[in-house]
Amino acid sequence: TQLLEQSPQFLSIQEGENLTVYCNSSSVFSSLQWYRQEPGEGPVLLVTVVTGGEVKKLKRLTFQFGDARKDSSLHITAAQPGDTGLYLCAGANYGQNFVFGPGTRLSVLP
Amino acid sequence: KAGVTQTPRYLIKTRGQQVTLSCSPISGHRSVSWYQQTPGQGLQFLFEYFSETQRNKGNFPGRFSGRQFSNSRSEMNVSTLELGDSALYLCASSLVVNANTGELFFGEGSRLTVL
Repeated sequence: TQLLEQSPQFLSIQEGENLTVYCNSSSVFSSLQWYRQEPGEGPVLLVTVVTGGEVKKLKRLTFQFGDARKDSSLHITAAQPGDTGLYLCAGANYGQNFVFGPGTRLSVLP
Repeated sequence: KAGVTQTPRYLIKTRGQQVTLSCSPISGHRSVSWYQQTPGQGLQFLFEYFSETQRNKGNFPGRFSGRQFSNSRSEMNVSTLELGDSALYLCASSLVVNANTGELFFGEGSRLTVL
């Protein structure tokens, strides 16, 4: 069974601060996705990474896939209250369904 | 373009009862997956359907079942409800099936409380 761990579990920061959350596994994934879930809603895809070492940027969010394709990080620059939510990573291998991590719950205070 | 629609949004049942949840995918999406989300376990994969066939199944007991209709709409059923079945049940549709880069489009979920 492929498992994903995420850290930290909870994070509360002030508006304007930078932060990094991590997604780790002992398994290799052919692709990894990050989703954000807001209260009362389903998760929404932020990014998909498929190549070891790949870095993708989405405005103030920077995603990196580890060289060995076992881990990933999400860095947010100058966090805003609108970034508040549950950040989920999900890994998959060919022919298999996505496995989700437990999530990092981020709270950005104004 | 309408999103994924799940009904009902909230429901309360008692132990031993059964429940049926419905999911209408985005038009044109033929793959539908179901997930159970709880604070302690996160999102756990239940099953996936494509063209009315169950393609993958997670590690849940046989009390959890599902089906998909010819119009891609899907239902999941939980029989003999237990307190531990209280959770948010999320449905996700996708254009691609079993592709490791496909985007999952989630509905808002059905929140089940078992008393």
